[in-house]
Amino acid sequence: EAQVTQNPRYLITVTGKKLTVTCSQNMNHEYMSWYRQDPGLGLRQIYYSMNVEVTDKGDVPEGYKVSRKEKRNFPLILESPSPNQTSLYFCASSLGSGLAKNIQYFGAGTRLSVL
Amino acid sequence: DAKTTQPPSMDCAEGRAANLPCNHSTISGNEYVYWYRQIHSQGPQYIIHGLKNNETNEMASLIITEDRKSSTLILPHATLRDTAVYYCIARFYNQGGKLIFGQGTELSVKP
Repeated sequence: EAQVTQNPRYLITVTGKKLTVTCSQNMNHEYMSWYRQDPGLGLRQIYYSMNVEVTDKGDVPEGYKVSRKEKRNFPLILESPSPNQTSLYFCASSLGSGLAKNIQYFGAGTRLSVL
Repeated sequence: DAKTTQPPSMDCAEGRAANLPCNHSTISGNEYVYWYRQIHSQGPQYIIHGLKNNETNEMASLIITEDRKSSTLILPHATLRDTAVYYCIARFYNQGGKLIFGQGTELSVKP
């Protein structure tokens, strides 16, 4: 089954404790992206990756890092989490720009609370 | 992406058709209309997309007006599980990059 898998689904942590949210897709998609969703602000893009070793900032990249060493994985790293990063996070993937359909598939979400 | 406008909320009786409108009066000739939905805090889910012809798949139908300034997503027999926020997005077919989700329409399907 085609899917985007995020882990963990729920995470409670404390300020300053480094964490990683993993994202994996099994569709051989080139494009992957991280969004965060906050009440009243909708979904905002954090980082994206056009392909392996190619990443770029989205609209709200501060406080986050990403890497794309393999095509299927796109982890989101919070080196020193702060309470304002408490949010619902989604990973998404698609075939890539310039290709047919470009439908984005989303993971189930990771709800993060930073105390 | 062209700006889209949707009503903030709608109700629909279970088993009836749900018709969700979207206005995209500034859409350009090469921009498609995509629909996604988000069921309570789950990841957004692709529903359907189209350019100018009406489209139908196993989930829904998409009716686009001849002038392409508006469209309607139709869920032919709404169920309680269709309760969700529905987003209409106008973008180029091969456009990469982020999806810009507006406020969407919160559809409540009631028994």
